[in-house]
Amino acid sequence: DVKVTQSSRYLVKRTGEKVFLECVQDMDHENMFWYRQDPGLGLRLIYFSYDVKMKEKGDIPEGYSVSREKKERFSLILESASTNQTSMYLCASSLDTGINFNSPLHFGNGTRLTVT
Amino acid sequence: QKEVEQNSGPLSVPEGAIASLNCTYSDRGSQSFFWYRQYSGKSPELIMFIYSNGDKEDGRFTAQLNKASQYVSLLIRDSQPSDSATYLCAVNGDNAGNMLTFGGGTRLMVKP
Repeated sequence: DVKVTQSSRYLVKRTGEKVFLECVQDMDHENMFWYRQDPGLGLRLIYFSYDVKMKEKGDIPEGYSVSREKKERFSLILESASTNQTSMYLCASSLDTGINFNSPLHFGNGTRLTVT
Repeated sequence: QKEVEQNSGPLSVPEGAIASLNCTYSDRGSQSFFWYRQYSGKSPELIMFIYSNGDKEDGRFTAQLNKASQYVSLLIRDSQPSDSATYLCAVNGDNAGNMLTFGGGTRLMVKP
């Protein structure tokens, strides 16, 4: 079974703090993703990565950056946390890309971040 | 901007009935379609995927795809209280990789 592990289940930070959310997958997946999930807005893609040191912006990258130094690890960074970044953050990984893509996303358990 | 629309619900069905969940999408070039189930406080888990027009069955679940009308649906037969969850539709648009667009989800409640 694929395991995607997020380092923290709950996190409380103050406005202006630099926040690191860590995600590790154990199945040698090529692709990794960061989503945030908010009531009424659904899942929105922040950033994704196809390979080590490679990153692409998703739909809402503003205020975030990412790092993928190793294949199994994908970090989300909030350079200066703000209250509107209070959310559930979900990391996911998948095996491959392709026209008839059917590799499922495997999600971590999520990190509920509160910025006060 | 790709859009994926779902009725937020809640959709309430009695135990044993068929639950029908619907999803429409805006990008006519969409090629792959997924249904995820998300229990309250948990992360989404894949139920089914479909990428050809028609029906695809897996146990009590049937996914239906109609590309001409740009909708995809999920039928749950013999609904159980344990099926009560939010169901997320997700659509993959093109060759640009695994950029899924998710709908807002439909909350399903199965009443004993």
